[in-house]
Amino acid sequence: AQSVTQPDIHITVSEGASLELRCNYSYGATPYLFWYVQSPGQGLQLLLKYFSGDTLVQGIKGFEAEFKRSQSSFNLRKPSVHWSDAAEYFCAVGVPQGAQKLVFGQGTRLTINP
Amino acid sequence: KAGVTQTPRYLIKTRGQQVTLSCSPISGHRSVSWYQQTPGQGLQFLFEYFSETQRNKGNFPGRFSGRQFSNSRSEMNVSTLELGDSALYLCASSLGDQGSEQYFGPGTRLTVT
Repeated sequence: AQSVTQPDIHITVSEGASLELRCNYSYGATPYLFWYVQSPGQGLQLLLKYFSGDTLVQGIKGFEAEFKRSQSSFNLRKPSVHWSDAAEYFCAVGVPQGAQKLVFGQGTRLTINP
Repeated sequence: KAGVTQTPRYLIKTRGQQVTLSCSPISGHRSVSWYQQTPGQGLQFLFEYFSETQRNKGNFPGRFSGRQFSNSRSEMNVSTLELGDSALYLCASSLGDQGSEQYFGPGTRLTVT
């Protein structure tokens, strides 16, 4: 069965600093990979997705992620964070065989220092 | 285009009662999935409905059930509520094609006392 690990439960960065959130997945083939963001009291918003092709994907709000097959990783990056980026970030994996089921990591809570 | 809507947004129930939550997907989306979010277990997949048929199911007891109507709106029902059912219940809609993006609603916060 597929699984997702986000090693960092909580990360604090200063406004304007760069950000990298880690995500490792376990699956026998190349899955569909997603990053979602959740603000307090809100649902999940899709930041970006990887299905195939170019391993560096661009998303909304200036985020990007890189798929590395050899490391089973899909890390999320942003060159310069803004205070409004404070939220919880979830990495998720979907199985290509038709189902819409997503398996989520435990999430990384991002705090921004002014 | 309107997003995914869920009603009610907040709900307080007593142990042993049952509850029904509603989800209206984005227009044109035929797939609705339900997830439970708790601080301890995180986000867990409950089930997915596509064209009124349950297409996939997670590892939840039979007290959790759902259905989908011909207009793609979906309801989930939890019977004989337990304290551990307190959670944020999220629904997501998509076109239902392989790997299609899922768009989430704001969730229903259920508290069981």
